[in-house]
Amino acid sequence: DVVMTQSPLSLPVTLGQPASISCRSSQSLVHSDGNTYLSWFQQRPGQSPRRLIYRVSNRDSGVPDRFSGSGSGTDFTLQISRVEAEDVGVFYCMQSTHWPRTFGQGTKVEI
Amino acid sequence: EVQLVESGGGLIQPGRSLRLSCTTSGFTFGDYAMGWVRQTPGKGLEWVGLIRSKPNGGTTEYAASVKGRFTISRDDSKSIAYLQMNGLKTEDTAVYYCVRPHSSGWPWGQGTLVTVSS
Repeated sequence: DVVMTQSPLSLPVTLGQPASISCRSSQSLVHSDGNTYLSWFQQRPGQSPRRLIYRVSNRDSGVPDRFSGSGSGTDFTLQISRVEAEDVGVFYCMQSTHWPRTFGQGTKVEI
Repeated sequence: EVQLVESGGGLIQPGRSLRLSCTTSGFTFGDYAMGWVRQTPGKGLEWVGLIRSKPNGGTTEYAASVKGRFTISRDDSKSIAYLQMNGLKTEDTAVYYCVRPHSSGWPWGQGTLVTVSS
């Protein structure tokens, strides 16, 4: 299985400041169709996860533009340009290039 | 509005079987693959499996940890996806989420808790 490794696992942040989470995969996530299927999810306390980013850098509908994704191959990053209070929670990366789909361990973001 | 509602969770003894249902609305169910993801208490997310839409073959994929024990099926006439879980183990204890994985959106249900314990 493809192992997804996130860092850091805990991220203390300051309101209004930027934040960044890294996700590395044990294999390239470039699919034979040329796309890279790396997504980011946010899980707020007591809620179901929601997807923020798909195919590395595409924001889902309704996701604030302070969230951005980048990367290629095996190395990916989620950036929050200015952290807001509602951003607290756990962030997960997930690959859907290979079977089975696999998630990172999660990064807990706290103010 | 797209809605996914899981049901069927509860307390079950090891070795027994349980079937979860995911009742959906707000989209053309038959056009989409449906999946299940679980989350162990206080831990992270684990992909369980997926069933493709019938136009895409209706085939299934499973995590190694559940393959041979769990079966995903769908009833397009009722817009419901199922997760049949046999031979349950204590390590299957988790909140089980129904998901609709697609580039246009990845809605999740609210989850249903399955506790496997004697």
